[in-house]
Amino acid sequence: NAGVTQTPKFRILKIGQSMTLQCTQDMNHNYMYWYRQDPGMGLKLIYYSVGAGITDKGEVPNGYNVSRSTTEDFPLRLELAAPSQTSVYFCASSSLSSGNTIYFGEGSWLTVV
Amino acid sequence: AQTVTQSQPEMSVQEAETVTLSCTYDTSENNYYLFWYKQPPSRQMILVIRQEAYKQQNATENRFSVNFQKAAKSFSLKISDSQLGDTAMYFCAFAGGTSYGKLTFGQGTILTVHP
Repeated sequence: NAGVTQTPKFRILKIGQSMTLQCTQDMNHNYMYWYRQDPGMGLKLIYYSVGAGITDKGEVPNGYNVSRSTTEDFPLRLELAAPSQTSVYFCASSSLSSGNTIYFGEGSWLTVV
Repeated sequence: AQTVTQSQPEMSVQEAETVTLSCTYDTSENNYYLFWYKQPPSRQMILVIRQEAYKQQNATENRFSVNFQKAAKSFSLKISDSQLGDTAMYFCAFAGGTSYGKLTFGQGTILTVHP
């Protein structure tokens, strides 16, 4: 029973590098999300998707891109990494059949130096 | 836009005692969902309890219960018989009924359970 799986769990990037955080879910959920959590803060929504081929911006989308080619996968792309993107990133999913309960992955710790 | 406020940055409680964490929110929507999430040091987000706004009955999950006051826009979490494993950051979160589950989080309350 995997749920929401994120990779990598830890990554150190240099300023200006790019990378992709992978996320996959096996619950056939329509909705998927990317959140970031800065130290001592709550989570903030970066991007979300209501189904394959449909994505939209959340509260803090700048510096990120997403795609949703399948129901299962929702990768997050960081272009030109900056120190302000040092954070813990959470992928999540939900569906109407789950009563809108959001299920989270275990998080990806990203440090930009 | 919705806002969620947790006014207690830190709380502490003795093992086996009861503690209440506060949360208030602001919204113009009538249909919505409220959640409490627990985040231990591992940073995993664990759903503790959820409440649908259209339900008047307060949600309960074992030692965890809520006091949902819709008119006052208040959603507090009561933890009974506190255990050492309850030590964690607790987040209150809001999702509008038409927001596809997009969550707005409060700032969090660090709860420490002392033996």
